Amino acid sequence: GAVVSQHPSWVICKSGTSVKIECRSLDFQATTMFWYRQFPKQSLMLMATSNEGSKATYEQGVEKDKFLINHASLTLSTLTVTSAHPEDSSFYICSARDPQGAKNIQYFGAGTRLSVL
Amino acid sequence: KQEVTQIPAALSVPEGENLVLNCSFTDSAIYNLQWFRQDPGKGLTSLLLIQSSQREQTSGRLNASLDKSSGRSTLYIAASQPGDSATYLCALNAGNMLTFGGGTRLMVKP
Repeated sequence: GAVVSQHPSWVICKSGTSVKIECRSLDFQATTMFWYRQFPKQSLMLMATSNEGSKATYEQGVEKDKFLINHASLTLSTLTVTSAHPEDSSFYICSARDPQGAKNIQYFGAGTRLSVL
Repeated sequence: KQEVTQIPAALSVPEGENLVLNCSFTDSAIYNLQWFRQDPGKGLTSLLLIQSSQREQTSGRLNASLDKSSGRSTLYIAASQPGDSATYLCALNAGNMLTFGGGTRLMVKP
């Protein structure tokens, strides 16, 4: 199946710094990518839908200035957590949809664990 | 707005038991339903995908069913093993996004 690579897998940063997470589709071109956040022992919550060449669509309650999304190419979307604070500590997972693939399937990255000190 | 509920939230069974995980949803206008497995601190592994027009899918010891009319899906795991211990998530695809259930944390004891 299609492969989505997410980097880094784990990051620790000081409060107030910015962190960038990359999501790459390795063997297909993804016009749409999705960013999810997962708090401990909770399910995945969609944060935003990233569209190549246009602005991301954010879910209600997600601060667009806090979570900057850039989808500059068909194989790369980035999520930047700006001025991170301890409450931003979470597990962030991206997914990508293969428009050429059947069944409208999303392929998931391995996730990034962010710890803000 | 689609709401997805998974019951039970946690389940502990002895090795070898057959078990059923439940997923219910409120809006039957879906493209497909997917079951995922998530190990602690890890990403998602897709287990089974059922298209809207299908009733069930099977892969090895796993069988997933879909009943849109009642808004339910089940994941049946036969002859459970300790290696099956994980969180199982169902997700509904309504076209442009997935809506996840809260998950069932499964523990299979040796």
